[in-house]
Amino acid sequence: EVQLVESGGGLVKPGGSLRLSCAASGFTFSSYSINWVRQAPGKGLEWVSSISSSSSFIYYADSLKGRFTISRDNAKNSLYLQMNSLSAEDTAVYYCARVSATGTTYDYWGQGTLVTVSS
Amino acid sequence: QSALTQPRSVSGSPGQSVTISCTGTSSDVGGYNYVSWYQQHPGKAPKVLIYDVTKRPSGVPDRFSGSKSGNTASLTISGLQAEDEADYYCCSYAGSYTWVFGGGTKLTVL
Repeated sequence: EVQLVESGGGLVKPGGSLRLSCAASGFTFSSYSINWVRQAPGKGLEWVSSISSSSSFIYYADSLKGRFTISRDNAKNSLYLQMNSLSAEDTAVYYCARVSATGTTYDYWGQGTLVTVSS
Repeated sequence: QSALTQPRSVSGSPGQSVTISCTGTSSDVGGYNYVSWYQQHPGKAPKVLIYDVTKRPSGVPDRFSGSKSGNTASLTISGLQAEDEADYYCCSYAGSYTWVFGGGTKLTVL
C-alpha cells in the first residue's frame, strides 16, 4: 500500500525556520517525482514545489521568493522541505503528493502536517 | 502562476447533475491535456477523481466525468449523492514541472 506520511509541522515565530519531512513507503520512491502542496486554513490548494525522481529538476512557486528548499534522499525514501523566513502567510497544512507514473496528476497524497506561523 | 478560476459554490439535489467549470489560460488548461480534478472532504487529503481531462482512476464511479474546451475544463457529477458534498479542485500542468490549482468549489447536496 502506498503511504506518504508528513511530519515536522508545528508552531514557529515569524522569521523562523522549519523543516518538513515526508516518509514514503509501498512503492519505489526513487522512480517518482514528488511535490509539496499547501492549503491555508479555509483556503484552496496551492502548489509549492516539485522535485524529479533523481533531483535533477527542482521548481518552486514564484510566491516563495527563494525561501523554501526542496530535497529528497532516495536511500531513505524521504522528501524534505526546508522553510526559512516564515511569515503568517505561510500558515497552512503542507501535503506531499506523488506525481503519477504518467507525470500528469497527483495519485497519492499524505495526510498533511500543519505549520502555524505566529508570535 | 495565477490560480485557475472556479465558481465558489454549486448545489444540486440528490439524483441531479451539476457541472463545475475551471478556467485558465493557454499556458495551462488550454496548453496541455493534463487537467485533474480532486475531491476533498473536510479535514481529509484530496483524492483524484479525474486526470488527463477525461480519465478516471480505478474505483472512481462513472458518475464523475471531465471535459475541456479551449481554456476551460469542466467536471460533471451526475446522479448526485449525499456523500458527494465536498470541495472540488481543478489542477492543470503549467509546464516545466509546475502546476496550478483552481480556487476550489464547494458542492452542497440539498
